[in-house]
Amino acid sequence: NAGVTQTPKFRILKIGQSMTLQCAQDMNHNYMYWYRQDPGMGLKLIYYSVGAGITDKGEVPNGYNVSRSTTEDFPLRLELAAPSQTSVYFCASTSGRMAYEQYFGPGTRLTVT
Amino acid sequence: GQSLEQPSEVTAVEGAIVQINCTYQTSGFYGLSWYQQHDGGAPTFLSYNALDGLEETGRFSSFLSRSDSYGYLLLQELQMKDSASYFCAVRDAGSSNTGKLIFGQGTTLQVKP
Repeated sequence: NAGVTQTPKFRILKIGQSMTLQCAQDMNHNYMYWYRQDPGMGLKLIYYSVGAGITDKGEVPNGYNVSRSTTEDFPLRLELAAPSQTSVYFCASTSGRMAYEQYFGPGTRLTVT
Repeated sequence: GQSLEQPSEVTAVEGAIVQINCTYQTSGFYGLSWYQQHDGGAPTFLSYNALDGLEETGRFSSFLSRSDSYGYLLLQELQMKDSASYFCAVRDAGSSNTGKLIFGQGTTLQVKP
């Protein structure tokens, strides 16, 4: 099992550009999450999904969008990138039964200049 | 509101024991999780307490007191590789169908020789 994979690992965007962060998991987990982590801080939930076709906002959704067309994939879209979106982005997944144990991808380091 | 508090930094020497505390304030409560994150890496799950008491996993133990809204992570026989950030995370009443976790800001543990 590859677990949770994320691409790209690093990206530099100019202000106003858009991009999609990819996330995939091969554990057949229904629940998936997107977090951002600013330096020295905890994880803040951006969006989450409890199954294909079902998504909902987390704590900090502004400037982002998601879709969940399959169980495996949960891409995060950034529209009109801003310097405030410079952060490390983590995707995570879990089964419903053991939701306290989330599996994280390696992260995407995004810089917006 | 919902909040978790943990110390920002802890320093200890190799071979020693260190305790990282976490107090929480949430609307309802299912359990307390602990995650480890090495610098530049992804968070990884360490332990989970749903009931009062101590859970032991090798050199790591986690404790929960629901009546005190308090838990801690105990690391014994510290090794240099234990230098990392440690996050507590709670599942609150709203997470039963979503698996959402609320993360603390993290405690940076520095292990010195």
